Amino acid sequence: DVKVTQSSRYLVKRTGEKVFLECVQDMDHENMFWYRQDPGLGLRLIYFSYDVKMKEKGDIPEGYSVSREKKERFSLILESASTNQTSMYLCASSPLAPYNEQFFGPGTRLTVL
Amino acid sequence: AQRVTQPEKLLSVFKGAPVELKCNYSYSGSPELFWYVQYSRQRLQLLLRHISRESIKGFTADLNKGETSFHLKKPFAQEEDSAMYYCALFNNAGNMLTFGGGTRLMVKP
Repeated sequence: DVKVTQSSRYLVKRTGEKVFLECVQDMDHENMFWYRQDPGLGLRLIYFSYDVKMKEKGDIPEGYSVSREKKERFSLILESASTNQTSMYLCASSPLAPYNEQFFGPGTRLTVL
Repeated sequence: AQRVTQPEKLLSVFKGAPVELKCNYSYSGSPELFWYVQYSRQRLQLLLRHISRESIKGFTADLNKGETSFHLKKPFAQEEDSAMYYCALFNNAGNMLTFGGGTRLMVKP
Protein backbone atom coordinates (compact mmCIF):
# COMPACT_ATOMS: atom_id res chain seq x y z
CA ASP A 1 0.00 0.00 0.00
CA VAL A 2 1.55 3.25 -1.17
CA LYS A 3 2.03 5.80 1.52
CA VAL A 4 2.70 9.43 0.82
CA THR A 5 2.94 11.53 3.94
CA GLN A 6 3.15 15.27 4.38
CA SER A 7 4.72 16.89 7.41
CA SER A 8 1.77 19.05 8.46
CA ARG A 9 -1.99 19.03 7.87
CA TYR A 10 -2.39 22.68 8.80
CA LEU A 11 0.14 25.48 8.83
CA VAL A 12 -0.23 29.18 9.61
CA LYS A 13 2.59 31.53 8.67
CA ARG A 14 3.13 35.25 8.39
CA THR A 15 3.90 37.22 5.25
CA GLY A 16 7.61 37.16 4.50
CA GLU A 17 8.38 33.98 6.44
CA LYS A 18 10.28 31.13 4.85
CA VAL A 19 8.10 28.02 4.74
CA PHE A 20 9.10 24.40 4.27
CA LEU A 21 6.61 21.71 3.27
CA GLU A 22 7.91 18.18 3.46
CA CYS A 23 6.73 15.09 1.61
CA VAL A 24 7.90 11.50 2.05
CA GLN A 25 6.94 8.41 0.05
CA ASP A 26 7.77 4.83 0.94
CA MET A 27 7.31 3.07 -2.42
CA ASP A 28 10.66 3.84 -4.05
CA HIS A 29 8.96 5.99 -6.70
CA GLU A 30 11.18 7.99 -9.00
CA ASN A 31 8.70 10.79 -9.70
CA MET A 32 7.48 13.24 -7.09
CA PHE A 33 5.21 16.23 -7.56
CA TRP A 34 3.98 19.31 -5.76
CA TYR A 35 0.57 20.78 -6.63
CA ARG A 36 -1.59 23.49 -5.20
CA GLN A 37 -5.32 22.94 -5.09
CA ASP A 38 -7.66 25.93 -5.28
CA PRO A 39 -11.46 25.95 -5.71
CA GLY A 40 -12.44 26.34 -9.34
CA LEU A 41 -8.84 26.08 -10.51
CA GLY A 42 -8.33 22.40 -9.74
CA LEU A 43 -4.78 21.20 -9.19
CA ARG A 44 -1.91 23.14 -10.68
CA LEU A 45 1.58 21.68 -10.87
CA ILE A 46 4.25 23.73 -9.12
CA TYR A 47 7.33 21.51 -9.57
CA PHE A 48 8.14 17.90 -10.16
CA SER A 49 11.23 15.75 -9.80
CA TYR A 50 12.09 12.54 -11.63
CA ASP A 51 15.27 11.76 -9.71
CA VAL A 52 17.40 12.86 -6.80
CA LYS A 53 18.63 16.44 -7.28
CA MET A 54 16.60 16.75 -10.51
CA LYS A 55 13.68 19.13 -10.81
CA GLU A 56 11.42 20.52 -13.50
CA LYS A 57 9.18 23.57 -13.36
CA GLY A 58 5.48 23.01 -13.59
CA ASP A 59 2.83 25.52 -14.54
CA ILE A 60 3.17 27.90 -11.57
CA PRO A 61 6.73 27.78 -10.16
CA GLU A 62 7.03 31.49 -9.32
CA GLY A 63 7.58 32.10 -5.65
CA TYR A 64 8.48 28.47 -4.96
CA SER A 65 11.55 26.29 -4.98
CA VAL A 66 12.08 22.59 -4.30
CA SER A 67 14.70 20.25 -2.96
CA ARG A 68 15.20 16.53 -3.47
CA GLU A 69 18.27 15.29 -1.68
CA LYS A 70 16.94 11.77 -1.11
CA LYS A 71 14.74 9.66 -3.33
CA GLU A 72 11.94 9.36 -0.79
CA ARG A 73 11.76 13.03 0.21
CA PHE A 74 10.64 16.08 -1.76
CA SER A 75 10.48 19.48 -0.13
CA LEU A 76 8.62 22.58 -1.27
CA ILE A 77 10.02 25.90 -0.13
CA LEU A 78 8.32 29.25 -0.08
CA GLU A 79 11.24 31.67 0.20
CA SER A 80 9.09 34.61 1.33
CA ALA A 81 5.49 33.63 1.90
CA SER A 82 2.76 35.89 0.56
CA THR A 83 -0.98 35.92 1.16
CA ASN A 84 -1.69 34.71 -2.37
CA GLN A 85 0.13 31.49 -1.49
CA THR A 86 -2.62 30.58 0.96
CA SER A 87 -3.83 27.27 -0.44
CA MET A 88 -4.00 23.50 -0.08
CA TYR A 89 -0.72 21.89 -1.13
CA LEU A 90 -0.70 18.30 -2.36
CA CYS A 91 2.30 16.08 -2.84
CA ALA A 92 2.20 13.04 -5.12
CA SER A 93 4.52 10.29 -6.31
CA SER A 94 4.55 7.81 -9.18
CA PRO A 95 6.83 5.26 -10.79
CA LEU A 96 9.07 6.47 -13.61
CA ALA A 97 7.33 4.72 -16.52
CA PRO A 98 4.96 7.01 -18.45
CA TYR A 99 1.25 7.37 -17.76
CA ASN A 100 1.42 5.84 -14.33
CA GLU A 101 -1.06 6.53 -11.56
CA GLN A 102 -0.03 9.28 -9.18
CA PHE A 103 -0.45 8.61 -5.45
CA PHE A 104 -1.33 11.61 -3.35
CA GLY A 105 -0.60 12.70 0.18
CA PRO A 106 -3.29 14.04 2.52
CA GLY A 107 -2.45 17.67 1.80
CA THR A 108 -1.21 20.64 3.81
CA ARG A 109 -3.52 23.59 4.21
CA LEU A 110 -1.29 26.65 4.41
CA THR A 111 -2.61 30.00 5.55
CA VAL A 112 -0.39 33.05 5.14
CA LEU A 113 -1.48 36.01 7.23
CA ALA B 1 -0.68 24.13 -24.85
CA GLN B 2 -2.76 21.38 -23.31
CA ARG B 3 -5.87 22.28 -21.40
CA VAL B 4 -8.63 20.43 -19.53
CA THR B 5 -12.02 22.02 -19.00
CA GLN B 6 -14.75 20.82 -16.65
CA PRO B 7 -17.62 23.20 -17.34
CA GLU B 8 -19.67 22.39 -14.24
CA LYS B 9 -18.36 23.35 -10.81
CA LEU B 10 -21.30 21.66 -9.11
CA LEU B 11 -23.61 18.89 -10.20
CA SER B 12 -26.52 17.88 -7.99
CA VAL B 13 -28.64 14.79 -8.70
CA PHE B 14 -31.00 12.52 -6.82
CA LYS B 15 -30.06 8.99 -5.85
CA GLY B 16 -30.79 6.60 -8.68
CA ALA B 17 -30.59 9.26 -11.38
CA PRO B 18 -28.03 9.06 -14.20
CA VAL B 19 -24.88 11.13 -13.87
CA GLU B 20 -22.60 12.65 -16.49
CA LEU B 21 -19.62 14.74 -15.49
CA LYS B 22 -18.26 16.59 -18.48
CA CYS B 23 -14.61 16.89 -19.44
CA ASN B 24 -13.22 18.52 -22.58
CA TYR B 25 -9.58 18.73 -23.48
CA SER B 26 -7.30 20.43 -25.97
CA TYR B 27 -4.12 18.58 -26.93
CA SER B 28 -2.06 18.19 -30.06
CA GLY B 29 -0.97 14.59 -29.56
CA SER B 30 -2.71 11.33 -28.74
CA PRO B 31 -4.38 11.95 -25.36
CA GLU B 32 -4.10 9.79 -22.28
CA LEU B 33 -6.86 10.77 -19.88
CA PHE B 34 -7.76 9.96 -16.32
CA TRP B 35 -10.46 10.65 -13.76
CA TYR B 36 -9.39 11.25 -10.16
CA VAL B 37 -11.80 11.47 -7.22
CA GLN B 38 -11.59 13.00 -3.76
CA TYR B 39 -14.15 11.88 -1.20
CA SER B 40 -14.77 13.99 1.87
CA ARG B 41 -11.75 13.94 4.21
CA GLN B 42 -9.89 11.48 1.98
CA ARG B 43 -6.95 11.75 -0.37
CA LEU B 44 -7.22 12.35 -4.05
CA GLN B 45 -7.14 8.96 -5.77
CA LEU B 46 -7.37 7.50 -9.23
CA LEU B 47 -10.87 6.47 -10.28
CA LEU B 48 -10.27 5.24 -13.80
CA ARG B 49 -8.02 5.65 -16.78
CA HIS B 50 -8.83 5.74 -20.47
CA ILE B 51 -6.06 3.32 -21.39
CA SER B 52 -7.56 0.54 -19.25
CA ARG B 53 -11.10 0.75 -20.70
CA GLU B 54 -12.39 -0.21 -17.27
CA SER B 55 -15.52 0.39 -15.23
CA ILE B 56 -14.91 1.32 -11.60
CA LYS B 57 -17.72 1.65 -9.03
CA GLY B 58 -20.15 1.65 -11.95
CA PHE B 59 -18.47 4.62 -13.64
CA THR B 60 -17.30 4.56 -17.25
CA ALA B 61 -15.66 7.15 -19.46
CA ASP B 62 -15.35 7.10 -23.22
CA LEU B 63 -12.80 9.06 -25.16
CA ASN B 64 -14.39 10.95 -28.06
CA LYS B 65 -11.56 12.34 -30.15
CA GLY B 66 -13.93 14.10 -32.53
CA GLU B 67 -15.49 16.10 -29.71
CA THR B 68 -12.28 16.10 -27.64
CA SER B 69 -14.24 14.88 -24.64
CA PHE B 70 -13.84 12.29 -21.89
CA HIS B 71 -17.10 12.48 -19.98
CA LEU B 72 -17.61 10.36 -16.87
CA LYS B 73 -20.93 8.52 -16.65
CA LYS B 74 -22.85 6.36 -14.25
CA PRO B 75 -26.37 5.10 -14.93
CA PHE B 76 -27.62 5.17 -11.31
CA ALA B 77 -25.99 7.54 -8.84
CA GLN B 78 -25.49 6.50 -5.22
CA GLU B 79 -25.10 8.78 -2.20
CA GLU B 80 -21.58 7.49 -1.66
CA ASP B 81 -20.63 8.89 -5.09
CA SER B 82 -20.76 12.39 -3.64
CA ALA B 83 -17.23 13.74 -4.06
CA MET B 84 -15.00 16.07 -6.00
CA TYR B 85 -14.09 14.72 -9.45
CA TYR B 86 -11.12 15.85 -11.53
CA CYS B 87 -10.40 15.04 -15.14
CA ALA B 88 -6.67 14.92 -15.99
CA LEU B 89 -4.55 14.71 -19.14
CA PHE B 90 -0.96 13.49 -19.45
CA ASN B 91 1.61 15.42 -21.48
CA ASN B 92 3.55 13.86 -24.37
CA ALA B 93 6.28 12.50 -22.15
CA GLY B 94 3.67 10.89 -19.92
CA ASN B 95 5.06 12.32 -16.73
CA MET B 96 3.06 15.48 -16.05
CA LEU B 97 -0.67 15.72 -15.53
CA THR B 98 -2.84 18.71 -16.37
CA PHE B 99 -5.99 18.79 -14.23
CA GLY B 100 -9.34 20.35 -14.89
CA GLY B 101 -10.97 22.68 -12.39
CA GLY B 102 -13.02 19.88 -10.84
CA THR B 103 -16.72 19.15 -10.46
CA ARG B 104 -18.36 18.62 -7.12
CA LEU B 105 -21.00 15.90 -7.37
CA MET B 106 -23.74 15.89 -4.77
CA VAL B 107 -26.11 12.94 -4.73
CA LYS B 108 -29.22 13.68 -2.72
CA PRO B 109 -31.29 10.95 -1.01
